[in-house]
Amino acid sequence: DSGVTQTPKHLITATGQRVTLRCSPRSGDLSVYWYQQSLDQGLQFLIHYYNGEERAKGNILERFSAQQFPDLHSELNLSSLELGDSALYFCASSVEAGSPDTQYFGPGTRLTVL
Amino acid sequence: GQSLEQPSEVTAVEGAIVQINCTYQTSGFYGLSWYQQHDGGAPTFLSYNALDGLEETGRFSSFLSRSDSYGYLLLQELQMKDSASYFCAVRVHSNSGYALNFGKGTSLLVTP
Repeated sequence: DSGVTQTPKHLITATGQRVTLRCSPRSGDLSVYWYQQSLDQGLQFLIHYYNGEERAKGNILERFSAQQFPDLHSELNLSSLELGDSALYFCASSVEAGSPDTQYFGPGTRLTVL
Repeated sequence: GQSLEQPSEVTAVEGAIVQINCTYQTSGFYGLSWYQQHDGGAPTFLSYNALDGLEETGRFSSFLSRSDSYGYLLLQELQMKDSASYFCAVRVHSNSGYALNFGKGTSLLVTP
């Protein structure tokens, strides 16, 4: 158990819908990273937040957005969902913004878009 | 640009030793990380090399050669539970922060 929690574990929804994925980092970790993992794309970095501020952006679609709240939990919002958005979504946390090399991953949310 | 190359699949026998290689191209290199992921599970941090040489952690060791832009993960005394995917990753600088760029992963199958 990494200490990172994610909810929900599974999510099934329809195209065009909007969903919110939630992540709570390990106690004391200020950084949260979001990743998308699909079969053909591997682990793709989406976005990084540190202590409430956006710090780094990867291959995140404009339909996706995220935020980190004062209690350090983070939410990833996915809207206008398409079939291709079906994937495993992981969040990970680390202590500092400048040390992303050691990250602790949550169990993931499996999103299925029908 | 930035790229990480690792073999897609490796098969080895229980009790044997296996080496998973990773070559990288990146600007502003900081170090090489390795993660393990079992089917359907979360990636788990294994090791991080910032300097040249071998780092040993139990049955797992990781090596880095910065001059060759190359590293490997060495797994000794293989056990069935080591069957998993292994990812190498490098730090990338983006906007005002950093992130990890992962290779596509090597699927290791340990056979009896």
